[in-house]
Amino acid sequence: EVDLVESGGGLVQPGGSLRLSCEASGFSFSNFWMSWVRQAPGKGLEWVANINQDGSEKFHVASVRGRFSISRDNAKNSLFLQMDRLRVGDTAVYFCARDLPGNSYGYEHWGLGTLVTVSS
Amino acid sequence: QSALTQPASVSGSPGQSITISCSGTRSDFGGYNNVSWYQQHPQKAPKLIIYDVNKRPSGISDRFSGSKSGNTASLTISGLQAEDEAAYHCCSYTNSLTIYVFGSGTTVTVL
Repeated sequence: EVDLVESGGGLVQPGGSLRLSCEASGFSFSNFWMSWVRQAPGKGLEWVANINQDGSEKFHVASVRGRFSISRDNAKNSLFLQMDRLRVGDTAVYFCARDLPGNSYGYEHWGLGTLVTVSS
Repeated sequence: QSALTQPASVSGSPGQSITISCSGTRSDFGGYNNVSWYQQHPQKAPKLIIYDVNKRPSGISDRFSGSKSGNTASLTISGLQAEDEAAYHCCSYTNSLTIYVFGSGTTVTVL
């Protein structure tokens, strides 16, 4: 059974940093694109970043480009999101998600999310 | 890149059919048929219910169906049930640096 477990969220002041982790199990982690998707309180979903199977291709939404960085460690079946220079507007639940296989697009599996609160 | 446009809310009675629209620009959809839909109950993670416009993952009821015409995608829920009360989000793969764009989300209420 596929399982994605996020950790690392918490309360941080504006300008601070956090590193989110997502531990994957139940599938061959190194064979899939992986993504981070966030949801601000009471709002819709927003794609944040994704990374290809070997980590050589990474993409970030414009609002976090230069501040956040997605990475992965296939040996540890783990996905990461380094978040620097955090802003109040980054407050959200951050979900780790596994892409569909092959040439289909979408998120077949999701973690339960980890809450990031940016506040002074 | 702005979110895809969805109605804020849609309601229907048990047994009825409802349709949720998801509109964007040509660049939002990237000329591809890579639209997915997610169901999200309160305080839960989203769940994939439609991908590639009209395909259902294993285990998803055939009461859920998807379509796309031009720059508008649609999700239809037939035979509405109480358990369908949830938020629904569309999503499209784009051909820009913003790889995926989500819709603004629609709350479905079963009357």
